[in-house]
Amino acid sequence: DIQMTQSPSSLSASVGDRVTITCRASQSISSYLNWYQQKPGKAPNLLIYAASSLQSGVPSRFSGSGSRTDFTLTISNLQPEDFAIYYCQQSYSAPLTFGGGTKVEI
Amino acid sequence: EVQLVESGGGLVQPGRSLRLSCTASGFTFGDYAMSWVRQSPGKGLEWVGFIRSKGYGGTTEYAASVRGRFTISRDDSKSIGYLQMNSLKTEDTAIYYCTRHKGGGYDSELCYWGQGTLVTVSS
Repeated sequence: DIQMTQSPSSLSASVGDRVTITCRASQSISSYLNWYQQKPGKAPNLLIYAASSLQSGVPSRFSGSGSRTDFTLTISNLQPEDFAIYYCQQSYSAPLTFGGGTKVEI
Repeated sequence: EVQLVESGGGLVQPGRSLRLSCTASGFTFGDYAMSWVRQSPGKGLEWVGFIRSKGYGGTTEYAASVRGRFTISRDDSKSIGYLQMNSLKTEDTAIYYCTRHKGGGYDSELCYWGQGTLVTVSS
């Protein structure tokens, strides 16, 4: 199974900050890496797919990069509505696996 | 508008069974793979399993933690997906989300999510 490791597990930031979250796969997954945002009491929401493609309707301050084993999610100009938990997920091979999540707090 | 609505959750005793349903609308259900994802209280996301579209063979894959106990199926004529859960354990307690992939296979992102249904396994 492919293990996905996210770091940090939590971070504190302020409105307007630039935030970077990393995700590492235990083996190469090419660009089969997706990012989701989850707010309290809500289902997750797709932000980035195929490592760097922005899902329709997602603000352009979200961006993704990376390939093979190392990936990053960057939020530029952090907004109040961005405080949430972020998960990476690989869709390269079954079983599909998620990272442990990164909580972005004020 | 794409919608996924889960139903069938509730309180169940350990060792018993439960079937969840996912009713889809707003798209051609049979064209897409579907995954179930769960989230234990206060924990992260765990993929449970998926079913490919008929065009991709309609086959299933499962997480090791549920393999042999859970079965995913689909009725494309009714636009409903199912998660049959047998021999339930307390550690299966979670919110269960129905999700739709971008395409017919599993190698794509989870574009759409239902609101989730809570399953509580307790005596």
